[in-house]
Amino acid sequence: GAVVSQHPSWVICKSGTSVKIECRSLDFQATTMFWYRQFPKQSLMLMATSNEGSKATYEQGVEKDKFLINHASLTLSTLTVTSAHPEDSSFYICSAWDRGFSYEQYFGPGTRLTVT
Amino acid sequence: AQTVTQSQPEMSVQEAETVTLSCTYDTSESDYYLFWYKQPPSRQMILVIRQEAYKQQNATENRFSVNFQKAAKSFSLKISDSQLGDAAMYFCAYCNTGNQFYFGTGTSLTVIP
Repeated sequence: GAVVSQHPSWVICKSGTSVKIECRSLDFQATTMFWYRQFPKQSLMLMATSNEGSKATYEQGVEKDKFLINHASLTLSTLTVTSAHPEDSSFYICSAWDRGFSYEQYFGPGTRLTVT
Repeated sequence: AQTVTQSQPEMSVQEAETVTLSCTYDTSESDYYLFWYKQPPSRQMILVIRQEAYKQQNATENRFSVNFQKAAKSFSLKISDSQLGDAAMYFCAYCNTGNQFYFGTGTSLTVIP
């Protein structure tokens, strides 16, 4: 099946700094990528939908200025957490939609963000 | 946004036995997809089974099958002949026509040897 990678798998940063998370579709082109946030023992919450070449669509309650999403190519989307604070510590998961297979999303392995 | 409800935070099953995980959802749309995903401790989301809303026939994948009741907005997962490797968090997910996924709160499944 299709493979989606995320980098880094774990990042620790100091409060006030920014951190970038990459999501790549390795063997297919993803016109749409999604970013989720998952707190421990909780569900995945959709943060935003990222379409290649256009602005991301954010879910209600998600600060677009804090969580910057860029989908510059059909295989790469990035999530930048700006001015990170300890409450931003979470597990971030991306998924990519293979347009060749309707409604089939492939999930990355996730990135653990720890803000100290 | 659509809501997906999983009323069983934890379930357990004896190895080789059958277990059913419940899921209900709320939507006004007629065209959508439903999924069950498995998330083991590695946190990697693994697709278990999918169901197209326009199909009346329940989806089946080996030991996994669903009971899809569209009118009742119910989508339960049945795992037959449970194996130790089935132990994980299971998430029910609703996918709308915009290909946006909404997940339930999850059910933690324990398989007892």
